[in-house]
Amino acid sequence: DAGVIQSPRHEVTEMGQEVTLRCKPISGHNSLFWYRQTMMRGLELLIYFNNNVPIDDSGMPEDRFSAKMPNASFSTLKIQPSEPRDSAVYFCASSFSNEQFFGPGTRLTVL
Amino acid sequence: GEDVEQSLFLSVREGDSSVINCTYTDSSSTYLYWYKQEPGAGLQLLTYIFSNMDMKQDQRLTVLLNKKDKHLSLRIADTQTGDSAIYFCAENRSGGYNKLIFGAGTRLAVHP
Repeated sequence: DAGVIQSPRHEVTEMGQEVTLRCKPISGHNSLFWYRQTMMRGLELLIYFNNNVPIDDSGMPEDRFSAKMPNASFSTLKIQPSEPRDSAVYFCASSFSNEQFFGPGTRLTVL
Repeated sequence: GEDVEQSLFLSVREGDSSVINCTYTDSSSTYLYWYKQEPGAGLQLLTYIFSNMDMKQDQRLTVLLNKKDKHLSLRIADTQTGDSAIYFCAENRSGGYNKLIFGAGTRLAVHP
């Protein structure tokens, strides 16, 4: 199994630009999670999908952030407009039961 | 509060045992986890323990759980340089799904 796949691995953009992060969960997993990791705040859960439906988005920082899961094999996290404080590593994770498997992450730098 | 607490840094000599400690907050957490993160990589699930267990052993890894004190530990036997990484403990908060709350991570440095 290829594991959770994320793209791009690195993204550098300028303040105000739209950023789209992509995730392909492990085949057969019905839960998908987006996390953000920063030095200051550690790992934070942004949003959780179950069977492609957003269940808990209480961790999404503000309206500039949105996430979609149009089908069981693809999810996006979009930031529009991006700000320097959004710079972080964004992880996608998927699970079927009680084990969550993480992707390699996307390192986002907003200048 | 929300915090899962871990010490931030641990240094051990190669071949010694490492013990990484964690305290969690939700006494009704069903599972407790240990993840490993190497530089530039994602989090790798190392092991987890069901809350009705006191101990779980998996090769060089031993997890101990003290539910009364809400204390979790990870012991790595015969620590190697390849074990150098950040180790995160996590609890799954009750609330209908497997929502993980992570500690800040313990950076393990293994020296010769």
